Formats: sequence, C-alpha cells, structure tokens
Amino acid sequence: NAGVTQTPKFQVLKTGQSMTLQCAQDMNHEYMSWYRQDPGMGLRLIHYSVGAGITDQGEVPNGYNVSRSTTEDFPLRLLSAAPSQTSVYFCASSQQSQNTIYFGEGSWLTVV
Amino acid sequence: QKEVEQDPGPLSVPEGAIVSLNCTYSNSAFQYFMWYRQYSRKGPELLMYTYSSGNKEDGRFTAQVDKSSKYISLFIRDSQPSDSATYLCAMGSRLIFGQGTELSVKP
Repeated sequence: NAGVTQTPKFQVLKTGQSMTLQCAQDMNHEYMSWYRQDPGMGLRLIHYSVGAGITDQGEVPNGYNVSRSTTEDFPLRLLSAAPSQTSVYFCASSQQSQNTIYFGEGSWLTVV
Repeated sequence: QKEVEQDPGPLSVPEGAIVSLNCTYSNSAFQYFMWYRQYSRKGPELLMYTYSSGNKEDGRFTAQVDKSSKYISLFIRDSQPSDSATYLCAMGSRLIFGQGTELSVKP
C-alpha cells in the first residue's frame, strides 16, 4: 500500500532552473494538494485540485504551476527557481477536502 | 494576524506528564479541526479529527474544540518519549495549519 508517493526526496537547484516535483497516489482520491513547510511557518497551501482537470490556487501560489491530467498524479512545477523557494514540499490527498488527508514523505528542495 | 495561531514552543516535559497543546483561530466559519503529528523528516500524520465543538478522546489523546472562544486544544496524558514530535493544528476545508509546536518528552 504505497499511499502518497513523492519524488525526488532531495534536490538542489541553481537559481533560474526549472524542475518538477512528482506526486502520485494510489487511493483513488479526488482531492490533492501541495504544501510547503518552512521553519516557524507551519504548512502553507500552494495549489490544490478537487479532481482531474480542476486546479486552484492556495495561499502561496506564485512561482509554481500545477496540472491534474489524471486522478493519480499531481505534479508541482517550479518555473524559475529562486532561493526563497528553498523549503520542504509535501503532497497530500484525500477522498474529499474535509476528510482525512494523507501526506507524502516530503521533498527537500534547496535553491542556491 | 494569521488565521490560525499556535503556541510555538518548544515544549519539554518529563515522561508521564500531561501535555496541553493549543491553537486559536479567527475564522468563525471553520467546522473541521484536526491535530497532526510530525516526526522529524517525515510527513504529518493525522492524530485527531473533530467536527464542530466538543471533546473527542482516543486513548491517551483528547481533543477539545471551543468555538465560542475560537480555541482548540490537544491533551496528551501519561506522555511517553515516543510522543516527541512536532504537533500541528489544522482547520477548515482547505486545511489552514498552525505553526507547529515541537514537543520533547524526556525519560
């Protein structure tokens, strides 16, 4: 039972580079979301999706893009990495937004 | 002012102590309240889930919601070293998180 799988676990980027954080869930959940976690800030919602083909912005969407072509996958794209995007990123999914949310193990990103 | 405020800690207690973790919030429309536990370098995992006001108990853990005061609490009885983690409150349909409280239970 894989649950929510994120890749890569660790990544170092140079300023200006682009990359995609992958997220996949095998629980047939409709709701998926991306958070970033910074010291003293808790988790902040970046983007979320209530189903395939539907995405919306969260609290801190600038600099990130998402798409939801399938129920299983919800990739997060950094368009032009900046040092301010150094953070730990968590993908999450649930059957509905109010239900139990399952988190992935996290992706540690450093932008130099 | 942040929508959800959580006592930042860190908090250090001896084994067996009762731990109280708290959050306040400003949005009276919140109906869903959750507590997550996060071990170092791991994703958060759901600990307690409460809908609207009242208490909920699960083993050594009790969650309380006071909507009139916009205040939620998590109590841990007979705390164990294995409870050492960061505890995050979360609420609302889009899950707004508090800053997290780092708890250390010393043997």
